[in-house]
Amino acid sequence: EAGVVQSPRYKIIEKKQPVAFWCNPISGHNTLYWYLQNLGQGPELLIRYENEEAVDDSQLPKDRFSAERLKGVDSTLKIQPAELGDSAVYLCASSLEDRNEQYFGPGTRLTVT
Amino acid sequence: GQNIDQPTEMTATEGAIVQINCTYQTSGFNGLFWYQQHAGEAPTFLSYNVLDGLEEKGRFSSFLSRSKGYSYLLLKELQMKDSASYLCAVSNDAGNMLTFGGGTRLMVKP
Repeated sequence: EAGVVQSPRYKIIEKKQPVAFWCNPISGHNTLYWYLQNLGQGPELLIRYENEEAVDDSQLPKDRFSAERLKGVDSTLKIQPAELGDSAVYLCASSLEDRNEQYFGPGTRLTVT
Repeated sequence: GQNIDQPTEMTATEGAIVQINCTYQTSGFNGLFWYQQHAGEAPTFLSYNVLDGLEEKGRFSSFLSRSKGYSYLLLKELQMKDSASYLCAVSNDAGNMLTFGGGTRLMVKP
């Protein structure tokens, strides 16, 4: 069974440019998470989806970040415009509705110059 | 609120035993997870404790004391490939959110 797929794996952009990340969760997992992970730190939740509904986006900087999961499967996370401080790894994870365990994708490493 | 503490770095010798501690203060609790994360890779699930006591899985064991807000991950017969970050994470009451500690970077030396 395929795991959580993310693309791209790496992205380098100049500040003020837009960027988008894509995530395909494990088949059948209705819960999807986006995390931000800075170097040497643990993942921090940005947004959680239950199917297509964003049920927790309290940590998402809504002035520049947006996310969608239109059909309740794939999801995209967008930053517009990017700032230097956005350089980090963006992790996507998924889980079954009634299970605690989350499965992580390899992440997208974003570098903003 | 959630507060999870674990040491930033640890060093151990190949073949030895190492214990990585995690303390937590959370407003809700529905279990504690340990994840392993190699540099540049995804966190991968190691263990889940929801009841007090020790869970053993091969070379890795995890312990939980809910009354003390304390857990540890025990790694035996260390191998070079065990060099990684180990993340402690606490689940909320509903079991649908994880709060992570900062991770402990373990370096295994020959």
